[in-house]
Amino acid sequence: QKEVEQNSGPLSVPEGAIASLNCTYSDRGSQSFFWYRQYSGKSPELIMSIYSNGDKEDGRFTAQLNKASQYVSLLIRDSQPSDSATYLCAVKTAGGGNKLTFGTGTQLKVEL
Amino acid sequence: GAVVSQHPSWVICKSGTSVKIECRSLDFQATTMFWYRQFPKQSLMLMATSNEGSKATYEQGVEKDKFLINHASLTLSTLTVTSAHPEDSSFYICSVKQGANTEAFFGQGTRLTVV
Repeated sequence: QKEVEQNSGPLSVPEGAIASLNCTYSDRGSQSFFWYRQYSGKSPELIMSIYSNGDKEDGRFTAQLNKASQYVSLLIRDSQPSDSATYLCAVKTAGGGNKLTFGTGTQLKVEL
Repeated sequence: GAVVSQHPSWVICKSGTSVKIECRSLDFQATTMFWYRQFPKQSLMLMATSNEGSKATYEQGVEKDKFLINHASLTLSTLTVTSAHPEDSSFYICSVKQGANTEAFFGQGTRLTVV
């Protein structure tokens, strides 16, 4: 089992819809969770961080964390074509020292 | 967030030569930096953790003699790909973290093409 798992996609949503991206992790002691967006040929950029159970909202983005289910998600409301990118889930695992463990990423396509 | 500058942004080199990539933390002193490699349509793979003033910690399967890391100051880490071969062609990205449970900030990445 991979430490951080994501569906590779592509996930296609129409413009204006809600995009839901999911991530599961195996280390129950994981403490910190991050969502990054990566455009093709570019390096990842941070979108959201979440540390405690529940929802965290920032503009059109909402991160949801459920530590009991070892599940973290990212919702993008009013999806725009510019949101089309690969979204990487990253986890600070309990046994991973100072490093982050990344999922393989989900490719999102927002269609006109 | 932290500002990380990586140079060069792209490089083409001949097989058998060495290439040095620089990663600078511009706005805070980073005792630790991370080097990643990303092949097309794949995720980030951590290569090594660069520690200021001491040896880097390499991930399993990464050749330490091929990928030389030097972290001589609190703001600069370098990755040298020695005797590069076409299979080393990839996107190399560095990152810094300001704390154990904080997010990572990435440099712009270096696209290496070995011909």
